[in-house]
Amino acid sequence: GIQVEQSPPDLILQEGANSTLRCNFSDSVNNLQWFHQNPWGQLINLFYIPSGTKQNGRLSATTVATERYSLLYISSSQTTDSGVYFCAVGGSGNTGKLIFGQGTTLQVKP
Amino acid sequence: EPEVTQTPSHQVTQMGQEVILRCVPISNHLYFYWYRQILGQKVEFLVSFYNNEISEKSEIFDDQFSVERPDGSNFTLKIRSTKLEDSAMYFCASSELTQRETQYFGPGTRLLVL
Repeated sequence: GIQVEQSPPDLILQEGANSTLRCNFSDSVNNLQWFHQNPWGQLINLFYIPSGTKQNGRLSATTVATERYSLLYISSSQTTDSGVYFCAVGGSGNTGKLIFGQGTTLQVKP
Repeated sequence: EPEVTQTPSHQVTQMGQEVILRCVPISNHLYFYWYRQILGQKVEFLVSFYNNEISEKSEIFDDQFSVERPDGSNFTLKIRSTKLEDSAMYFCASSELTQRETQYFGPGTRLLVL
């Protein structure tokens, strides 16, 4: 099956700093989503981005499907950005199964 | 904005007991999913469901697990005889018209098996 690797596993930033999170995947995908898991465990949808670039406020994401990676950019980070960021991909099958990476744990210090 | 809801938010049960986790997907969505996350680990796919049938299930989804859409709004996950290792956060998700679209996740049910 598809392998999903996220890097870095952990990241500590000062408030106001920028960061880039990476997601590599081992095969072609028809779905790629980025999630933020908040301290209560909820998975918050950030982007649906199987290809191309999207922006939403201080967050943006780019997926280069031909090179099998996606990047999540966080600019001017805030303490509320802390949590775990997951990348999840869906393969070429027709069942919608999402395969999650191990996540990047982000801590933003005031 | 429509959202996926799940009940209960927390459940504690004794090993060997049956539990039913409930989900109300977004109303016009056709595809439904269950995932689980053991504490500190990544989220794992359990099962996908469309047109009243299981589309795919993982190796985790053994004979102790079953899913049902008992009416037009609810989607349930039953664990027949819980084990300690079933302790996890269980997420329900749904997508609208195809399995390739955004999956919207519920807030999760945290299950603790003692």
